[in-house]
Amino acid sequence: DTAVSQTPKYLVTQMGNDKSIKCEQNLGHDTMYWYKQDSKKFLKIMFSYNNKELIINETVPNRFSPKSPDKAHLNLHINSLELGDSAVYFCGTQGSGNTIYFGEGSWLTVV
Amino acid sequence: AQSVTQLDSHVSVSEGTPVLLRCNYSSSYSPSLFWYVQHPNKGLQLLLKYTSAATLVKGINGFEAEFKKSETSFHLTKPSAHMSDAAEYFCVVSGTSGSARQLTFGSGTQLTVLP
Repeated sequence: DTAVSQTPKYLVTQMGNDKSIKCEQNLGHDTMYWYKQDSKKFLKIMFSYNNKELIINETVPNRFSPKSPDKAHLNLHINSLELGDSAVYFCGTQGSGNTIYFGEGSWLTVV
Repeated sequence: AQSVTQLDSHVSVSEGTPVLLRCNYSSSYSPSLFWYVQHPNKGLQLLLKYTSAATLVKGINGFEAEFKKSETSFHLTKPSAHMSDAAEYFCVVSGTSGSARQLTFGSGTQLTVLP
């Protein structure tokens, strides 16, 4: 069983569209994250949720809206996609002991 | 506040020779430190972690790292490189700020293994 699963893995879409990336974890952890990896491989936190509550929102445009329907899910919805949104998005979860488990990543290409 | 500096953006070694990937950190509290590896077009895989137990940490695939508080370093080593080790490596520091857990990634080191 995959601990953290993200869907879709690859997504190609046009500018202006709205898209969602889903994340589910089966580890029972309270804290979930979304990270963005840019073309230079730099990883930066976007959001952190703890038990469905938003904890960190790092200067992300409000076109990005995370949704956590329950502790096991943290979805990322993006409105009005722009070229600069092309990146790899990683979902992660953190339990006790500070170990972070990441999903396989979602490669988003905006054309 | 916390930060991570990976001192080399690219490291190139010959197969069978030792690997050293350098990482320095800054943290105002006792941090947890990690190394992750990312193979091309793949996700992030945990190699090893330090969480204030033994200062020499052994990870998967023969990698290990030593936490040196006096030098604020957490360098990653492997005695003998294998072709399959070619990947991007990230040093990560984790700590708590208020009610939030903060993860800060280094800028990554691209490891090339030459035959």
